[in-house]
Amino acid sequence: NTKITQSPRYLILGRANKSLECEQHLGHNAMYWYKQSAEKPPELMFLYNLKQLIRNETVPSRFIPECPDSSKLLLHISAVDPEDSAVYFCASSLRTNSDYTFGSGTRLLVI
Amino acid sequence: GDSVTQKQGQVTLSEDDFLFINCTYSTTTYPTLLWYVQYLGQGPQLLLKVTTANNKGISRGFEATYDKGTTSFHLQKASVQESDSAVYFCALVDAGYQNFYFGKGTSLTVIP
Repeated sequence: NTKITQSPRYLILGRANKSLECEQHLGHNAMYWYKQSAEKPPELMFLYNLKQLIRNETVPSRFIPECPDSSKLLLHISAVDPEDSAVYFCASSLRTNSDYTFGSGTRLLVI
Repeated sequence: GDSVTQKQGQVTLSEDDFLFINCTYSTTTYPTLLWYVQYLGQGPQLLLKVTTANNKGISRGFEATYDKGTTSFHLQKASVQESDSAVYFCALVDAGYQNFYFGKGTSLTVIP
């Protein structure tokens, strides 16, 4: 899926700090971070609309999102925990009431 | 609150078999009901969408229908192929797209 690019694709960390990046080339106004743990559906973490954070689900404070412009989304993670091992998907939609497009995800493994 | 239930965790079929995956939902609004497909190593992709205005959707040989009376919606395909092996999620979005609920997913394996 080249419409939404996420980097890195794979990440193996100890208790370190790292940032996940997402960029969408769709001209969408809303961007999302989802977490998908093994054999579970995606769960919403954060929602930005027009660069403003409008949804912040119950997420550990070590996860800090950032939206530097309307096409980019970052997820800063500090001192990762083994329970953070999952695939993190970025998604976007034209408006908050439009269909989503998901990226291919960043697979995070915490060792 | 709104919810969606997808009970079939794993389904194994042979090529050309008929596929049927069912979801039930609970809502007090006029929802949009969706089916997503997630291939290995990829993000979920929207496969089909049905609303209260159109109770049936068709895409790529898949058909989704919803029954307001039984508050269920299902995904079916007449003849599956090995390339259909993936995880299929049903989802419900409330009327204002404010809340998005995924089912637990059905992992489909099609044996050639």
